[in-house]
Amino acid sequence: GEDVEQSLFLSVREGDSSVINCTYTDSSSTYLYWYKQEPGAGLQLLTYIFSNMDMKQDQRLTVLLNKKDKHLSLRIADTQTGDSAIYFCAESLGDTGRRALTFGSGTRLQVQP
Amino acid sequence: DTEVTQTPKHLVMGMTNKKSLKCEQHMGHRAMYWYKQKAKKPPELMFVYSYEKLSINESVPSRFSPECPNSSLLNLHLHALQPEDSALYLCASSQERHTSTDTQYFGPGTRLTVL
Repeated sequence: GEDVEQSLFLSVREGDSSVINCTYTDSSSTYLYWYKQEPGAGLQLLTYIFSNMDMKQDQRLTVLLNKKDKHLSLRIADTQTGDSAIYFCAESLGDTGRRALTFGSGTRLQVQP
Repeated sequence: DTEVTQTPKHLVMGMTNKKSLKCEQHMGHRAMYWYKQKAKKPPELMFVYSYEKLSINESVPSRFSPECPNSSLLNLHLHALQPEDSALYLCASSQERHTSTDTQYFGPGTRLTVL
């Protein structure tokens, strides 16, 4: 089945690193995504990783994937107050019959000045 | 340009009203999606259109009626809604590639309130 889990809340100080974790259960997932949602807004795609990779870096963002443990993390370096938002991980099976995304419950990141 | 636009931004309607939500993209994407998001919850898929044909309906009640008039536009017609249908309605689009990543890009959403 499909089940994506995240911790609900994370609070960090400005300038620190943030690490948001996600676990998923479907081993046939081919792509895993991180989206950011600010209050009252839509979802902004941050980054994605293919399931045959174990790491991807994009400026302040680092995604780590442990396929054996089905664990995905998003590290934000030098966290800023503008990073305060809800972060969703999502998995896609990549097959033609089920293209839609399954989202985790979302992690609210609060950045203290 | 990775922009998906949605109108209106906010909508308040009564249970007897008929209204429509609109979504537009000009990225040449051939798959378009409607999601519903309740407060403090993740988005949940409602419908998927592929090449202007409905390919997935996630058992959505018939008071929600999607329409894809062309490859750039997606509508959601609303009729006889209930207060529990109040939510943020998100539209997304993707290229509809089957052999590699088919990343979905989301619009800003329409905040719907049913009185």
